[in-house]
Amino acid sequence: DTEVTQTPKHLVMGMTNKKSLKCEQHMGHRAMYWYKQKAKKPPELMFVYSYEKLSINESVPSRFSPECPNSSLLNLHLHALQPEDSALYLCASSQVADGSYEQYFGPGTRLTVT
Amino acid sequence: GENVEQHPSTLSVQEGDSAVIKCTYSDSASNYFPWYKQELGKGPQLIIDIRSNVGEKKDQRIAVTLNKTAKHFSLHITETQPEDSAVYFCAARIALNFGKGTSLLVTP
Repeated sequence: DTEVTQTPKHLVMGMTNKKSLKCEQHMGHRAMYWYKQKAKKPPELMFVYSYEKLSINESVPSRFSPECPNSSLLNLHLHALQPEDSALYLCASSQVADGSYEQYFGPGTRLTVT
Repeated sequence: GENVEQHPSTLSVQEGDSAVIKCTYSDSASNYFPWYKQELGKGPQLIIDIRSNVGEKKDQRIAVTLNKTAKHFSLHITETQPEDSAVYFCAARIALNFGKGTSLLVTP
């Protein structure tokens, strides 16, 4: 199974809402990632988890809060978002986080902030 | 940090022609160079990758070449088909970021 799953596929939320994005992989990978992708742009790295510990935070605003409950799951908690946060949020995983292994991407969650 | 430049940003070819996309990188310590294809509404999917100890790799109609001295690598797609139309991203994997992408359109 080389699949990364993400839920929900689409999410519309108001600026005062709290919501969570979920990501799951069962490949035994020990690195998991969150990316943000705006239209016609490449994915931008947000967070990296290595062995369930946050190893990279690319200066992401605190309204985005990642969580890695176990080696298969990755969450992104959202609170008080702004309309400019509307984007495709991609989860990925790889064997380890040293940059020399293939990343497997999920289909993404299309987030709209109203 | 690693800086990856990708060209061209858009590419239009006739079905059956070849397409070439080029990337340059700055960090000589980079040792893994993947190429991803992203179709509309989907996440990026790896189509081919190359490591720094190899100069060329082929997989059917797709090939990647790497010139470590010049710090550039290229994606070659031969006999293009309409289903090759997508956005293609390169990466130089010391950092975890992508080139800006190439939107490839293959017209019948």
